[in-house]
Amino acid sequence: QQPVQSPQAVILREGEDAVINCSSSKALYSVHWYRQKHGEAPVFLMILLKGGEQKGHEKISASFNEKKQQSSLYLTASQLSYSGTYFCGTEQVSGNTPLVFGKGTRLSVIA
Amino acid sequence: SAVISQKPSRDICQRGTSLTIQCQVDSQVTMMFWYRQQPGQSLTLIATANQGSEATYESGFVIDKFPISRPNLTFSTLTVSNLSPEDSSIYLCSVGRGEKLFFGSGTQLSVL
Repeated sequence: QQPVQSPQAVILREGEDAVINCSSSKALYSVHWYRQKHGEAPVFLMILLKGGEQKGHEKISASFNEKKQQSSLYLTASQLSYSGTYFCGTEQVSGNTPLVFGKGTRLSVIA
Repeated sequence: SAVISQKPSRDICQRGTSLTIQCQVDSQVTMMFWYRQQPGQSLTLIATANQGSEATYESGFVIDKFPISRPNLTFSTLTVSNLSPEDSSIYLCSVGRGEKLFFGSGTQLSVL
C-alpha cells in the first residue's frame, strides 16, 4: 500500500524551513527517507523504526508518530543543496522486504 | 555503503526490441530489487531477485515482459522485452545493506 506524501511540491528561499509528511492507513514497521537530485539515484537520509522516535541533526530531522502511521521530515534553515525530490519508503512488516515509496515531494530552494 | 554498478546508463531503443540492464554489486547480497521510475513519478517495484530461485514479481509486472536473471550473489540483469514507448522510464537496481537501501545510478530508457 503506497504511503501518501504531502505536499507534492514546495518552493523555499534559502534559510526557510519546510516539513514533508508521509502517512499510511495502517501501522508501519519502518519509514525510510530518501532524497533524489535530478538525474541521480535516490540517496538514503534516515530510517525510523520506533513509535515516537525522532532522529537526525538540527538541519534535517524526522519523526515517527506513536501509532507508527505518520512520519514527518523537517528541513531547517534550508540551503540550495537541499533541492531535490524527497521520497518516503515504507515497510509494513520486518524482514528485508522491499520498500513501497510515496509519490515524492519536489523541493526547490532558491536564493 | 554499497557500491552498485549499473549499465547502460542510458539507451535509445526501437519499438519491438529488447534491452538488458546489468547490475553489479561490490559484495554478496541475498536480494536485489528492480524499480521503475517513470518521468516525474515515484519508484515502483518491479520484482525482487533472489539467487537460486525465480524472481518475485509485483502486481502488474510479468516475467515474459521483464525477465530477470540472478546467476550469483553479486550480479543481476533485468530485460525489458518487446519495447513500446510506454516503457520509457528510468530503471534502477537496488540492494539492502543493514537498514539502508542503496540504488544503482539508473538506466534511462527511451523507446522510439
